[in-house]
Amino acid sequence: DVKVTQSSRYLVKRTGEKVFLECVQDMDHENMFWYRQDPGLGLRLIYFSYDVKMKEKGDIPEGYSVSREKKERFSLILESASTNQTSMYLCASSLGEGRSGANVLTFGAGSRLTVL
Amino acid sequence: DAKTTQPPSMDCAEGRAANLPCNHSTISGNEYVYWYRQIHSQGPQYIIHGLKNNETNEMASLIITEDRKSSTLILPHATLRDTAVYYCIVNLLLLSGNTPLVFGKGTRLSVIA
Repeated sequence: DVKVTQSSRYLVKRTGEKVFLECVQDMDHENMFWYRQDPGLGLRLIYFSYDVKMKEKGDIPEGYSVSREKKERFSLILESASTNQTSMYLCASSLGEGRSGANVLTFGAGSRLTVL
Repeated sequence: DAKTTQPPSMDCAEGRAANLPCNHSTISGNEYVYWYRQIHSQGPQYIIHGLKNNETNEMASLIITEDRKSSTLILPHATLRDTAVYYCIVNLLLLSGNTPLVFGKGTRLSVIA
């Protein structure tokens, strides 16, 4: 089975802290994604990546950056955490673009971040 | 991307078939229909997808109307573990410049004993 592992299930950080959310997949998937999920707003795409060192902005990239130095790892970075970034963060991966499995996403269990 | 319309919630008796509708009247000819579900406190899980023909796998069946303007996800024998939010998404193949999947609010299915 494809596994997408998010490093922390629960995090509590303070306003202004730099926060790293790590995601690792073990099936050699080309695509990786970061979503956040908030009550009443559903899942919203933050950033995604088609390949190593490539990144594309999603719908809500403000306040976030990403890093993809290795194919299996996609990191979400909050340079200076704010209370409105308290949320559930979900990482996903899929096969390469243009292939029928490219929209078949496998999600991690999620990381619930609280910013105080 | 075409948008979808789903009922906000549905109930289904355990052991009966759950039929979840989705309207996608503005779908274009090369857009696929995808279904995902999200069980409470977990990440979304892929169920099935299709373009024109009906599809079946070990989890569910997908029925797409001939004009492709709507579809139905069928869980043939719903169990309590099928209680979840079900998302119907319409999307092109993922290519540079195309938008990845956009998740709406879905249908909250409650399977009742």
